[in-house]
Amino acid sequence: EDQVTQSPEALRLQEGESSSLNCSYTVSGLRGLFWYRQDPGKGPEFLFTLYSAGEEKEKERLKATLTKKESFLHITAPKPEDSATYLCAVLDTGRRALTFGSGTRLQVQP
Amino acid sequence: GAVVSQHPSWVICKSGTSVKIECRSLDFQATTMFWYRQFPKQSLMLMATSNEGSKATYEQGVEKDKFLINHASLTLSTLTVTSAHPEDSSFYICSAREPGQGYYEQYFGPGTRLTVT
Repeated sequence: EDQVTQSPEALRLQEGESSSLNCSYTVSGLRGLFWYRQDPGKGPEFLFTLYSAGEEKEKERLKATLTKKESFLHITAPKPEDSATYLCAVLDTGRRALTFGSGTRLQVQP
Repeated sequence: GAVVSQHPSWVICKSGTSVKIECRSLDFQATTMFWYRQFPKQSLMLMATSNEGSKATYEQGVEKDKFLINHASLTLSTLTVTSAHPEDSSFYICSAREPGQGYYEQYFGPGTRLTVT
């Protein structure tokens, strides 16, 4: 059974204080690992897809990396508008639907 | 990225009534759509996979007679909550995968907040 574990559950940063969010996963075969951002009362917003170990993708202050067991979402010099819940999900080769982690609630204080 | 819409964005209904939620892919055709449910401060739980022109595939523990899913066209899937009860109050979100070779991104709708009184 696919498992996705995100840590920490919640993270409070000062504006400009860089940090990383972790996503550990267990799948029989990885078709893709996905990062989403979700604001309160809204649907998840797609950020990145990573397909193979060693792959990295960047978007503004965010950088996602992937190993065979985990993924990191690095946030560089965050701003208050980066405050949201960040969700990690995996797509197993044997399934059509994503399996989500429980998310990391990020709060960036000015 | 692809755009997915949902309607309504929020709905309040009385216990025992039925509510229909629509999910549309606006700029692409989706043979498969997904319905999720999310409780406060929890992650998304997959309810069912909606297949265009065929029956939906429900996750274990989801009552198929209570949550009716219809995927009548390549751009529209509907979720009907029948005989709604207060415990059905939740945030319902649909998603769709833009077809293509070699990538599997899913795009989500804005969600529908259902409150059953």
